[in-house]
Amino acid sequence: KQEVTQIPAALSVPEGENLVLNCSFTDSAIYNLQWFRQDPGKGLTSLLLIQSSQREQTSGRLNASLDKSSGRSTLYIAASQPGDSATYLCAVTTSGTYKYIFGTGTRLKVLA
Amino acid sequence: EAQVTQNPRYLITVTGKKLTVTCSQNMNHEYMSWYRQDPGLGLRQIYYSMNVEVTDKGDVPEGYKVSRKEKRNFPLILESPSPNQTSLYFCASSSSSGGGDGNTIYFGEGSWLTVV
Repeated sequence: KQEVTQIPAALSVPEGENLVLNCSFTDSAIYNLQWFRQDPGKGLTSLLLIQSSQREQTSGRLNASLDKSSGRSTLYIAASQPGDSATYLCAVTTSGTYKYIFGTGTRLKVLA
Repeated sequence: EAQVTQNPRYLITVTGKKLTVTCSQNMNHEYMSWYRQDPGLGLRQIYYSMNVEVTDKGDVPEGYKVSRKEKRNFPLILESPSPNQTSLYFCASSSSSGGGDGNTIYFGEGSWLTVV
């Protein structure tokens, strides 16, 4: 059974720092992995989607990498800003299904 | 504008009173699903649908029903709500086409449901 873990559960950093959020999964037979942002009381917004054949994706200050063999993905946020404060979740789906398994998220606070 | 719309956004109801949470998407997506989000448990999939008239159970389907009569709509039905179904519910949709961002998941804003 696929399990997704995100460490740390919470993180506070000063503005301007580069930071890395981690996501690990137990079954390497994934179809894709997505990173999401969730603001308090709001829905989830997809940030980056990495297909199983890809190693990384970039969007602005965000870079997500995928290492299927080790069951890991990282989300790199460059030059963090207070507006980046949110909960970040990763989710994987296994080949042949549309069942998405989510991690419990990392709650990020960027201090001004 | 690409949207997944859920209604109601907030609801307090009593045990046993049937309710329906509606979900509609305007992106012609084949795939739709329902999740519930609970503190410490994260997002868990309730039901999903691959296309019209094709639905399947997720990880926590007990106490819920769904239907997919039209491509754009995927209502979640609680036939006899109980307090343990108090939660934040999300509807989501995506295209089934592979590659590129074809599998990007779009979420609704969420529906806060309290069962007393």
